[in-house]
Amino acid sequence: GQNIDQPTEMTATEGAIVQINCTYQTSGFNGLFWYQQHAGEAPTFLSYNVLDGLEEKGRFSSFLSRSKGYSYLLLKELQMKDSASYLCAVRRGSGAGSYQLTFGKGTKLSVIP
Amino acid sequence: DAGITQSPRYKITETGRQVTLMCHQTWSHSYMFWYRQDLGHGLRLIYYSAAADITDKGEVPDGYVVSRSKTENFPLTLESATRSQTSVYFCASRRTSGRQETQYFGPGTRLLVL
Repeated sequence: GQNIDQPTEMTATEGAIVQINCTYQTSGFNGLFWYQQHAGEAPTFLSYNVLDGLEEKGRFSSFLSRSKGYSYLLLKELQMKDSASYLCAVRRGSGAGSYQLTFGKGTKLSVIP
Repeated sequence: DAGITQSPRYKITETGRQVTLMCHQTWSHSYMFWYRQDLGHGLRLIYYSAAADITDKGEVPDGYVVSRSKTENFPLTLESATRSQTSVYFCASRRTSGRQETQYFGPGTRLLVL
């Protein structure tokens, strides 16, 4: 099975930097996703890491360490609109047609003025 | 560019009734997915499809049936709805580009089983 852990809630100040951690235990690891989900809306894709290291996209960066089973999402220059839940998801299975994606329970981020 | 759509957006039904949730994508993505999202559980994969006529179980498939006769459509059927199937259902499709992979989600269907 899989176990994905991320903090339930976080609070940060507008303009600041926040790091949301995700740890996982899985066999057959084949990539890690981060999604943003505003209340009452569908998840939207933020990043996908399959190799170790940092991926940067504007104000958002995602880091992966496969040996440690660890990822983080870094949000810079926080804006009020960044208040949302952030979902970590781990993919396993690389065989033809095989695909399993397991989500963590999400981290609810509140950005305060 | 419609992307991925779901219908209905809201549905109320009664225990024991059959319900079908529709999902349609305009990108011709091979992979499509059905998830349910519940408080305390997060998103859980119900079924997925690698291509037309190829489907496979996810984490929580019991009580659900899927089909994929056309690449663009991936309906999810609750054969005999139960109260525990009250949830928000999301359909998604997958795009790959080299090593990069993205899943796009539909707007969701909110299902209430009375």
